[in-house]
Amino acid sequence: QSALTQPASVSGSPGQSITISCTGTSSDVGGYNYVSWYQQYPGKAPKLLIYDVTKRPSGVSNRFSGSKSGNTASLTISGLQAEDETDYYCSSYTDSSTLIFGGGTKVTVL
Amino acid sequence: QVTLRESGPALVKPTQTLTLTCTFSGFSLSTLGVSVNWVRQPPGKALEWLARIDWDDDEYYSTSLRTRLTISKDTSKNQVVLTMTNMDPVDTATYYCARILLDGDHGFQFDPWGQGTLVTVSS
Repeated sequence: QSALTQPASVSGSPGQSITISCTGTSSDVGGYNYVSWYQQYPGKAPKLLIYDVTKRPSGVSNRFSGSKSGNTASLTISGLQAEDETDYYCSSYTDSSTLIFGGGTKVTVL
Repeated sequence: QVTLRESGPALVKPTQTLTLTCTFSGFSLSTLGVSVNWVRQPPGKALEWLARIDWDDDEYYSTSLRTRLTISKDTSKNQVVLTMTNMDPVDTATYYCARILLDGDHGFQFDPWGQGTLVTVSS
């Protein structure tokens, strides 16, 4: 099964909003509301940002939000800050009862 | 507090078998809805899901690596073991274990993660 498709990079100026897409198929993203998003700084383990497409764990800034339309999920970062500059990954449950990640997106704050 | 920690060799030779252990605390792998997963990340590359073992002993594997992977659990020791056979330099990566808690409020999200352990495959 191929990885979910994410843009390699997304950039924005401080204070702006950016959106990272995560495209799969009806066998994963489109078939289940089990999409999650992770933030990963270099040399560190990933951190959960969003789960079940739209839910945010306690302690995660409300500047991060998730959505889904068809086979594409999205992560929006509002009020972009310098500390948001790092890598982001999406993940989805699949109809094979497995999990799958996206290829990752590097966010740059201009 | 839920924690996970990976352990295993830092260096393995090509064709050898890798054995990694995930030792966790703060939860039980006999609790309904709990699973422990293995995920790896080659240097500078993306995350890749490898395997999962559930509270009811069900096992799931990456389609592309299924023939090389075995996952097992020791509930009494709070440990999950992953073995990967026939290691190759392309398997050089940081290997993470992570929990999934599937209940009415949570789906298939990885939280938390261990710190990861770097495994290098080289002769």
